[in-house]
Amino acid sequence: SSELTQDPAVSVALGQTVRITCQGDSLRSYYASWYQQKPGQAPVLVIYGKNNRPSGIPDRFSGSSSGNTASLTITGAQAEDEADYYCNSRDTFWVFGGGTKLTVL
Amino acid sequence: QLQLQESGSGLVKPSQTLSLTCAVSGGSISSGGYSWSWIRQPPGKGLEWIGYIYHSGSTYYNPSLKSRVTISVDRSKNQFSLKLSSVTAADTAVYYCARGMTTVTTGAFDIWGQGTMVTVSS
Repeated sequence: SSELTQDPAVSVALGQTVRITCQGDSLRSYYASWYQQKPGQAPVLVIYGKNNRPSGIPDRFSGSSSGNTASLTITGAQAEDEADYYCNSRDTFWVFGGGTKLTVL
Repeated sequence: QLQLQESGSGLVKPSQTLSLTCAVSGGSISSGGYSWSWIRQPPGKGLEWIGYIYHSGSTYYNPSLKSRVTISVDRSKNQFSLKLSSVTAADTAVYYCARGMTTVTTGAFDIWGQGTMVTVSS
């Protein structure tokens, strides 16, 4: 099926490492992409493909994948990383995960 | 640098048709290898992909909206458009246009418009 599942909320202490996960059958065939969305702003692509960062995205953001699960890891989370994060995959058609609200404590 | 800008009516009456346009600047919509999508986000909720069009004019829609959606492209104006018919309050959302890129193993929306709020209300 073309559904992606994310945990609704995750928290991390400032400077620590956090992993946000995304599960779905399509991830067995395709790498996920990840977006950061801050209140009142459009989503911004942070990771795509196996582990590619668009220009301007800090290298503390990384991606990985195993089986039907994709992960976004933030190593050394900063206060400005507090946001909603969405995974996305192409399958028969495009689909987004429900989003994870990241709180930086 | 490629930029996208949505425009259209911010208030639509129930049962009527929502119409939005996405103007592409800083590059050509006819550039190969990209699709052009509409994505929406109801207030306080997540993202929902609506559909995409290629510069060739071929389209693909979210099955849940397919019966009500039409996406078209105007290459002469370097823009693409969304029409969503028979709207209800459930169609109230911020509507984004975005450029999609795909490879054999992945895909992503790398450039987004700022979004435009559309409210369905009488």
